[in-house]
Amino acid sequence: EVQLVQSGGGLVQPGGSLRLSCAASGFIFSSYSMSWVRQAPGKGLEWVSTISNSGAMKYYADSVRGRFAISRDSSSNTVSLQMSSLRAEDTAVYFCAKDSPKYSSGWFDFWGQGTLVTVSS
Amino acid sequence: EIVLTQSPGTLSLSPGERATLSCRASQGVTSTYLAWYQQTPGQAPRLLIYGAFTRATGIPDRFIGRGSGTDFTLTISRLEPEDFAVYYCQHYGTSYTFGQGTKLEI
Repeated sequence: EVQLVQSGGGLVQPGGSLRLSCAASGFIFSSYSMSWVRQAPGKGLEWVSTISNSGAMKYYADSVRGRFAISRDSSSNTVSLQMSSLRAEDTAVYFCAKDSPKYSSGWFDFWGQGTLVTVSS
Repeated sequence: EIVLTQSPGTLSLSPGERATLSCRASQGVTSTYLAWYQQTPGQAPRLLIYGAFTRATGIPDRFIGRGSGTDFTLTISRLEPEDFAVYYCQHYGTSYTFGQGTKLEI
């Protein structure tokens, strides 16, 4: 059974930093790209970042490029999102997601439970 | 950048009825990378359809995806109470893009 279990999140002041993590199990982690998608309160889904299966390629939405960094650890099957210079508009529920198909991207077939990040003074 | 526009914004129907949700792309897209998701309040999205018409594992056959080029539809043939949710279309090209969502309400 595929599971994506998220941790991290919480309340942070504008300009602060936060790290989100997502522990994956139930599939061959090294074969799949992984992504982060966010959802501001009452709003739709917004793609944030993707990391390739090898970790060699990283992609970011324009809204977070230069402030967020995605990474993955094959020893612990974990994908992380380091967020810095946070702004009020980064307030959202953040989901990690497993990309498909294998070795590529196209759609998200499994999602984590989501974690709320609130940026406020 | 491709923009996905979903319509209607809200669709009011009753259980047993047929729902048709639309997703229009600002330019022609590859059907291979067109997906649909369902999201209920407080939950993560769930993949329904990928490749424009292929149902994901465990998705009932009342969910039908169609379309090509710029126009795609998700049809729910006979609405069940658990189908009332928000639906998003999504495309992958150089990055991921989501439509703004259609709320299906009773």
